[in-house]
Amino acid sequence: GAVVSQHPSRVICKSGTSVKIECRSLDFQATTMFWYRQFPKQSLMLMATSNEGSKATYEQGVEKDKFLINHASLTLSTLTVTSAHPEDSSFYICSATAGGVNTGELFFGEGSRLTVL
Amino acid sequence: GDSVTQMEGPVTLSEEAFLTINCTYTATGYPSLFWYVQYPGEGLQLLLKATKADDKGSNKGFEATYRKETTSFHLEKGSVQVSDSAVYFCALSDTGGFKTIFGAGTRLFVKA
Repeated sequence: GAVVSQHPSRVICKSGTSVKIECRSLDFQATTMFWYRQFPKQSLMLMATSNEGSKATYEQGVEKDKFLINHASLTLSTLTVTSAHPEDSSFYICSATAGGVNTGELFFGEGSRLTVL
Repeated sequence: GDSVTQMEGPVTLSEEAFLTINCTYTATGYPSLFWYVQYPGEGLQLLLKATKADDKGSNKGFEATYRKETTSFHLEKGSVQVSDSAVYFCALSDTGGFKTIFGAGTRLFVKA
């Protein structure tokens, strides 16, 4: 099946620094990728939809200047948390839809746990 | 707008017990329905899906039937194992597959 890989799986950074998380589709081309944030014991909150070669579409309430998303190729999308603060600590998950007939099935990365000190 | 409601957890069961996690939805059009599972510290993975009314999705002993008349997609398993302990998310995808709506998730604990 389609495989999505995220890196890093865990990252700890100091307040004020920026952190980049990569999301790669390993065996398929992903024209659309999605970025989510998950708080402890809560559901996934969609942050943005990332389309290859175009600007990401952010959900209401998500700061696009804080969470920079780049989808420069059909196999890679990146999320950069800029000037991170402790409240940005969370579990970030990406997903992608495979090409062809789209039934809406999503393929998820393993997630990246960000801790901002 | 579209929404998914699933039973609150946590659900605690003994090994070999019967599992039901209720899920209902509201949607326009003809969505696809999914159950995803999240094991501790991991991302989500697809457990099963159904793309049209009366379809039954099944995988690893889990089943769910797309019931349009009751707008439900309840997850069932006849005999749970400790390894089934995880968070289960019910989800729907709109007709074009462009947006997925997730339920709040139900945490399942299975005791030996």
